[in-house]
Amino acid sequence: RKEVEQDPGPFNVPEGATVAFNCTYSNSASQSFFWYRQDCRKEPKLLMSVYSSGNEDGRFTAQLNRASQYISLLIRDSKLSDSATYLCVVITNSNSGYALNFGKGTSLLVTP
Amino acid sequence: DAGVTQSPTHLIKTRGQHVTLRCSPISGHKSVSWYQQVLGQGPQFIFQYYEKEERGRGNFPDRFSARQFPNYSSELNVNALLLGDSALYLCASSFPGTGVQETQYFGPGTRLLVL
Repeated sequence: RKEVEQDPGPFNVPEGATVAFNCTYSNSASQSFFWYRQDCRKEPKLLMSVYSSGNEDGRFTAQLNRASQYISLLIRDSKLSDSATYLCVVITNSNSGYALNFGKGTSLLVTP
Repeated sequence: DAGVTQSPTHLIKTRGQHVTLRCSPISGHKSVSWYQQVLGQGPQFIFQYYEKEERGRGNFPDRFSARQFPNYSSELNVNALLLGDSALYLCASSFPGTGVQETQYFGPGTRLLVL
């Protein structure tokens, strides 16, 4: 089983739609969680950190469910500029070492 | 402030050769991580270095090695290149710490093509 799994998509949605991505992780000892955005042929950039209590940044809401070991990203009122690949990141720092694992990414295409 | 810089931007090598990639972190960041990203996949963690010590290692063969210098810059070395090493190699810097301090700030990457 992979450390971090995401549905690769693609998700094709019209402008203004709400879209949700999920990401599951295998190590229950994982401590830190993030969503990154990567545009075509560009480096990943931080979208938001994910906190246990859930957090919101404008149209974006991230949730963490430790019991079920998944994180989610909700995008409301999708814009054309939201088209990108969304990567979830899980960090584990334990006695067996430090590991930072990315999912494969979920591709989003927002259409007019 | 300058972001993370990497050199070279592009590189073409042949099988069996050796390559060295370089990375300079954001000023004030003491931790550098290396990732390999092949087309259609997410970045794969290779190493993280903090204060010149290896803090973590991903599932890569011993042909991959790295080091961090006193100024916190870093080199990634790959020996005996294989065709499958062709990828985008990303460097990221971060503060040491936990939680949001582990945010990775990425450089533009080095595109390596092995022929």
